[in-house]
Amino acid sequence: DQQVKQNSPSLSVQEGRISILNCDYTNSMFDYFLWYKKYPAEGPTFLISISSIKDKNEDGRFTVFLNKSAKHLSLHIVPSQPGDSAVYFCAASDRYDMRFGAGTRLTVKP
Amino acid sequence: DGGITQSPKYLFRKEGQNVTLSCEQNLNHDAMYWYRQDPGQGLRLIYYSQIVNDFQKGDIAEGYSVSREKKESFPLTVTSAQKNPTAFYLCASSTDRGPLIGQFFGPGTRLTVL
Repeated sequence: DQQVKQNSPSLSVQEGRISILNCDYTNSMFDYFLWYKKYPAEGPTFLISISSIKDKNEDGRFTVFLNKSAKHLSLHIVPSQPGDSAVYFCAASDRYDMRFGAGTRLTVKP
Repeated sequence: DGGITQSPKYLFRKEGQNVTLSCEQNLNHDAMYWYRQDPGQGLRLIYYSQIVNDFQKGDIAEGYSVSREKKESFPLTVTSAQKNPTAFYLCASSTDRGPLIGQFFGPGTRLTVL
């Protein structure tokens, strides 16, 4: 039972353009939503998060949007850089129980 | 440098053997976690521990065991009862400051059972 879904396994964008990664969840009890970035042969690293009381959180080039009624969140990267090429996981949590999506592989072309 | 170490990076074992994966953290975090990642799937929680000498099963605990005798250490044993043990295993830890700051992950151990 996948409670967190990332329906796009891959995304390719041109350097300087916007990258939009999407994530859907099914459990309305989730209160915290996070994005992680993962390079090959490394563990995921935390990128940005948002709580359910907000609909937007910004950190530099990264912005996470949350639409609770649609149970949807997205990560925007502007402008995209080649170093952003990695697998991005979204995660949803009600405190300790964190559920991860399958990941989206982002490729930013120079 | 604070962080999480997992050793070894690659591990090979024969079918039917138990194997223990190491996870050590010097971040002074109370909570620690073990996840498994398979191709095309998200991370799935095996076990987690909120405090020393206490741990709870995650979604896929069958065939695995853990111990938490020290705050810094949370070893995972993959037993012969685990039907499909070949996978990438990730250990993580978190503070009690809340879930919004995320979990810190180790570099992972790739286990291959021959």
